[in-house]
Amino acid sequence: RKEVEQDPGPFNVPEGATVAFNCTYSNSASQSFFWYRQDCRKEPKLLMSVYSSGNEDGRFTAQLNRASQYISLLIRDSKLSDSATYLCVVTNTGGFKTIFGAGTRLFVKA
Amino acid sequence: DAGITQSPRYKITETGRQVTLMCHQTWSHSYMFWYRQDLGHGLRLIYYSAAADITDKGEVSDGYVVSRSKTENFPLTLESATRSQTSVYFCASSALAGGRETQYFGPGTRLLVL
Repeated sequence: RKEVEQDPGPFNVPEGATVAFNCTYSNSASQSFFWYRQDCRKEPKLLMSVYSSGNEDGRFTAQLNRASQYISLLIRDSKLSDSATYLCVVTNTGGFKTIFGAGTRLFVKA
Repeated sequence: DAGITQSPRYKITETGRQVTLMCHQTWSHSYMFWYRQDLGHGLRLIYYSAAADITDKGEVSDGYVVSRSKTENFPLTLESATRSQTSVYFCASSALAGGRETQYFGPGTRLLVL
């Protein structure tokens, strides 16, 4: 079993749709959680951190459920520019062991 | 505003050759990382460094060597390249370990081993 698992997709949604991605992690001692975005043939970039209480940044909402060991990302009112791969990232002890999920691909179409 | 750069951006080499991938950051970040990205695996940590002269292995370190004589540079060397090392290599840096600290990635080096 992979330490961080994501549905690879692809998710194909129309503009304006709401889409949700889930991610599960296996290490209950995991400390920090992030969502990164990666455009085709580009480097990953931080989208948002994920806090225990849940957090929102514009159209993006991240949730963490430590008991069930999963993280979610909700995108509302999808834009064409949201098309990318979304990487779930979990960091363990001291931040040295950073585990990336394989990513979920999103295609937003007009 | 150079940030973090990698060179070369593309490299073709042959099995058995030594290859060095360069990584340079201008932020004076303490922590630097090397990852490889392959289809179906996501990014996997090869090596990381907490400061100059402090390095440690990641998940997939076999066949790779790193050094960190200066804070801003973190070269990755493939001692004897193999076809399985064909991949996209990303260097990253962060100011702090763990917590909420973001890792900033370079643009990547695409390596093909023939």
